[in-house]
Formats: sequence, C-alpha cells, structure tokens
Amino acid sequence: GENVEQHPSTLSVQEGDSAVIKCTYSDSASNYFPWYKQELGKRPQLIIDIRSNVGEKKDQRIAVTLNKTAKHFSLHITETQPEDSAVYFCAAAPVSGGYNKLIFGAGTRLAVHP
Amino acid sequence: GAGVSQSPRYKVAKRGQDVALRCDPISGHVSLFWYQQALGQGPEFLTYFQNEAQLDKSGLPSDRFFAERPEGSVSTLKIQRTQQEDSAVYLCASSSGTGGSSYEQYFGPGTRLTVT
Repeated sequence: GENVEQHPSTLSVQEGDSAVIKCTYSDSASNYFPWYKQELGKRPQLIIDIRSNVGEKKDQRIAVTLNKTAKHFSLHITETQPEDSAVYFCAAAPVSGGYNKLIFGAGTRLAVHP
Repeated sequence: GAGVSQSPRYKVAKRGQDVALRCDPISGHVSLFWYQQALGQGPEFLTYFQNEAQLDKSGLPSDRFFAERPEGSVSTLKIQRTQQEDSAVYLCASSSGTGGSSYEQYFGPGTRLTVT
C-alpha cells in the first residue's frame, strides 16, 4: 500500500523567513496531494492541494510543487508569520474504487519566532 | 455554513466499556471517512462510506470497531470492549464527491477518547 514520508519533523524559522517541508510517496497511482495545517487541539484544515496533472500551485504565501517522476512533493511558505506556527501534514491519495482515502505523513511541527 | 461536527468532543471510558462516537458531515456530502490520530502522529484511515454503503473498512484495527451510516448522513463509530491502545483522537471527514469529481476532505474537530 501507499506510504508517505515527511521531513523535517520539526522546523524553526524566524519571522519573515521561508519554510519548506518535503514529502515522498511510494504508490505511483496516487493522484491527489493535499496539505493540512493543524493547530493544537484543533481540526486539520486544508490549506492547499495539488493534483497529478499539475506541477506547481500557488495561493498567496503558500505554494506546492509536485515531481511525479521522483514521487515527491513540497510545501513552501514564504514571509512566515507567527500565526503560521502549527503542525503541517502532507497526504497522498491513491486511486481506489473511485474514491481517495488519504495516507498522511507523520507531520512537521513549524515554529515561527518573532 | 456549517462544517463537520462531532460529538462528544471528549470521552473517558474505563477499559472494557463500549463507546459510540458521532459524526455529522457537511449537508449533502456523499463521502464520509473516519480516521484515527494517535498523539504526535498523522491521521490514519479507518473506514469509508459512500452514502450509506461502507465501501472500505480495511483500516479498522479489530472486530471491536464498527461503523455505520444508515441513512447516508450521520455516521457512528462504535468501539466495543475498549482497550488502552484505543486512546486517540477520532476524526471524521466528508467530501462532496466520490473522488473522481471532488477530492477535498473537510475534517471535524475530532473526539478525544481516553481509555483508563
């Protein structure tokens, strides 16, 4: 089955710096790659996603890139702010029976220091 | 609009007790997923419903776990004879499509289950 690895597990940056989180997946049939932000005690919130027919997607300070050949995808946050501090999860969704069940990475704890 | 809701938000059960966790998906969402999130880990898939049909229960850890969605809206995850290893946050997510047309899954706040 699908396996998703995520690095780094923790990331500390100064406010205004960029942050990059990387994920690799194993199942070449995966075609949907969302990123979730989870604050302590809160629900995971979808912040951006990318589908396999697209190499890059951007939404204001957040961007995601996908390399299907290498089976890896990355989240880029520019001009980080203290409110970006949270745990970020990547996920991959293999196509199976017409629906996509998400396989998550272990998460990256991002701390943005003022 | 209303998002996914779950109840109770917190549940403490003595080992051996049965528990029932409820999920109210976004109105009209066809797909409903249950995930288990252990402390410090990413969510792990448990089971999937398309309307009232349970199409995938490959992630349920044992036959003590049972899920249903009888009318294609509200879903209940039941755990019988709870064990300490069942302690986790149980997350419900819903999406509008069946994967081919709409992939985005929206999560509820979760139920934190503690088994003592």
